[in-house]
Amino acid sequence: ILNVEQSPQSLHVQEGDSTNFTCSFPSSNFYALHWYRWETAKSPEALFVMTLNGDEKKKGRISATLNTKEGYSYLYIKGSQPEDSATYLCASLSGSARQLTFGSGTQLTVLP
Amino acid sequence: GAVVSQHPSWVICKSGTSVKIECRSLDFQATTMFWYRQFPKKSLMLMATSNEGSKATYEQGVEKDKFLINHASLTLSTLTVTSAHPEDSSFYICSARDSFGWGNSPLHFGNGTRLTVT
Repeated sequence: ILNVEQSPQSLHVQEGDSTNFTCSFPSSNFYALHWYRWETAKSPEALFVMTLNGDEKKKGRISATLNTKEGYSYLYIKGSQPEDSATYLCASLSGSARQLTFGSGTQLTVLP
Repeated sequence: GAVVSQHPSWVICKSGTSVKIECRSLDFQATTMFWYRQFPKKSLMLMATSNEGSKATYEQGVEKDKFLINHASLTLSTLTVTSAHPEDSSFYICSARDSFGWGNSPLHFGNGTRLTVT
């Protein structure tokens, strides 16, 4: 992996469903992995900053895991609500990058 | 806390004119600010890193004479798109890091600026 890649690009889930999406990043020279939530017409808001392999962080119904050896992070949302609808961005500081490199985001729509 | 204000939210200008976008950290000091450009359905592309009191560091392929960045104080950075052309139409967004943070500290973003050059 040379760039930061996120999948899926978009998804729709029903209210109450749990969901997860993936961020892949260069595993070499890893320093940090960030997750942001970006709601329409607002600024991206930081969810998690993760630095340790195997780390798991949680904020309410949202949690994230990190595997720095294989270069991926999962973001989980339990019991999705319409207010969770947003684009979720990940960014890594790893590989040959000198600054955070962002993925294209996963656009989540939670249907009531 | 950690609010970043970016103005204007949108701007329409004629080809050949210059446009200035401001990014202010309202309740913290930002020694480093970042300017990004986003194309439709693409990721945030870092244009330059702006350090207070010094010249900005531009990413490869970004014309420094085209995109002038000034970071005159710990709370204000400006991006000026000079002699704008239709291909400069895009979404520009800034972010800031507080004085004591680095890659393991979250970025604080502005709301972005939608630039349309006619």
